[in-house]
Amino acid sequence: DIVMTQSPDSLAVSLGERATINCKSSQSVLSSSNNKNYLAWYQQKPGQPPTLLIYWASTRQSGVPDRISGSGSGTDFTLTISSLEAEDVAVYYCQQYSTTPFTFGPGTKVDIK
Amino acid sequence: EVQLVESGGGLVQPGGSLRLSCAASGFTFSGHLMDWVRQDPGRGLVWVARINTDGSTTIYADSVKGRFTISRDNAKNTLYLQMNSLRAEDTAVYYCAREFFGSGRRDFDYWGQGTLVTVSS
Repeated sequence: DIVMTQSPDSLAVSLGERATINCKSSQSVLSSSNNKNYLAWYQQKPGQPPTLLIYWASTRQSGVPDRISGSGSGTDFTLTISSLEAEDVAVYYCQQYSTTPFTFGPGTKVDIK
Repeated sequence: EVQLVESGGGLVQPGGSLRLSCAASGFTFSGHLMDWVRQDPGRGLVWVARINTDGSTTIYADSVKGRFTISRDNAKNTLYLQMNSLRAEDTAVYYCAREFFGSGRRDFDYWGQGTLVTVSS
């Protein structure tokens, strides 16, 4: 199974400041057939289901604000919120969909400092 | 509007059974692979099972293999999860999730609100 890890476990950022979350997979999720990274990011607010933010590691889902971006390739990925807003308070998960079992990172909680 | 509505959760004793349903609407259900994902209390997300569009192929996490069965009724636009031999560690919120169709993507672009399963005596 591909093991996903995230860092940090939690972070507190001032409004308007940058938040950076790291995700690492135990093996590459980059496909040689289409040169795409099978990596997604989800946001989960308290009491709600997860919502898709990013797929293919860096493509923003429709409706996701452009202050949220994804980057990385192979085994190392980053989710960046360029200017934190109050509505961004949530837990963020990365997920690999390269092979089953699909696996998620443990999550990173983002709060306001 | 895409909607996924789970039902069937509740309190069940260890060793018991439960059947979850996920009613889909607002999209062509038969055109999408579907999955169940669970979230342990206070913990993260764990993928449980996946089914292809016509129900002929299913895949399970090792932790539920042989105990859980995923199925679908495309005529009723409904996804199911039959859970047998339930254990305390199966306690979780269970979400149904739709896989995006096309381009080789397999991320979950829509999720239901979830249904809570509690396994306890």
